[in-house]
Amino acid sequence: DQQVKQNSPSLSVQEGRISILNCDYTNSMFDYFLWYKKYPAEGPTFLISISSIKDKNEDGRFTVFLNKSAKHLSLHIVPSQPGDSAVYFCAASHYGGSQGNLIFGKGTKLSVKP
Amino acid sequence: KAGVTQTPRYLIKTRGQQVTLSCSPISGHRSVSWYQQTPGQGLQFLFEYFSETQRNKGNFPGRFSGRQFSNSRSEMNVSTLELGDSALYLCASSLDTGINEKLFFGSGTQLSVL
Repeated sequence: DQQVKQNSPSLSVQEGRISILNCDYTNSMFDYFLWYKKYPAEGPTFLISISSIKDKNEDGRFTVFLNKSAKHLSLHIVPSQPGDSAVYFCAASHYGGSQGNLIFGKGTKLSVKP
Repeated sequence: KAGVTQTPRYLIKTRGQQVTLSCSPISGHRSVSWYQQTPGQGLQFLFEYFSETQRNKGNFPGRFSGRQFSNSRSEMNVSTLELGDSALYLCASSLDTGINEKLFFGSGTQLSVL
C-alpha cells in the first residue's frame, strides 16, 4: 500500500512559468513533509520541508503548501528555470520518528523548457 | 567538508553472487541510512544505522544486510543476488537520527545483476 503518492510521473513547464508538483498521503499520522530534488547521476538533495502546524513554507522560489484535511501537499516553483529540471521526491513521516520512518513517493520528473 | 562518498560507483554482478557496497558519511554524521531506487518503486528504505546499531529496517528480505563501523562508515551486503536487485543503491547520512535532520545523499552505486 503506497502511503505517499506522486501521481504525475512527469511534468513539462515553460521557463518563467510556475511549476506545481503534487503529492498525496494516506497516513493521517504523518505530520512532517519534505521535498528532495534529484539530478541524474547524483544523489537527492534536500529542498524544503513543512510540519503540520503550518500550511505554507517558503524558501526563495520554492513554496510548499500543505492541506491536512485533503492529505495533500504541493511544491510550487516560481519562476521555473531550466536548472530546475530534475526528479522531485515528496517524503513524509511523523515528527517524532527517525530517518527510517521516512516514506518517499515515486517521484515526478520536471522538465523546464527554455 | 567532503560529502557522502559511495563506492564503487558502478557494479555488474551475476545472479547468485554477493556484493558489498561501501558508504563514508560526512564527517561528524553519526546516522547512515540506505535506500534502493528503482524506476518503478522510487526510493525504498533499506535500513538505518546509528552509533553502530541498526535502528530501523525496511521491508526487504534477509539477503540484504548492513553494518556500521565505529568511524560511522557503513557497508551493505546483498547475498544470492537476483535480477530484481538491479537498482541504484543510495546511502544518506545525517548528524543525528531525528526526522528533522536533513539527509545528505551520496551519488549512489548502480548495481546491475545479469
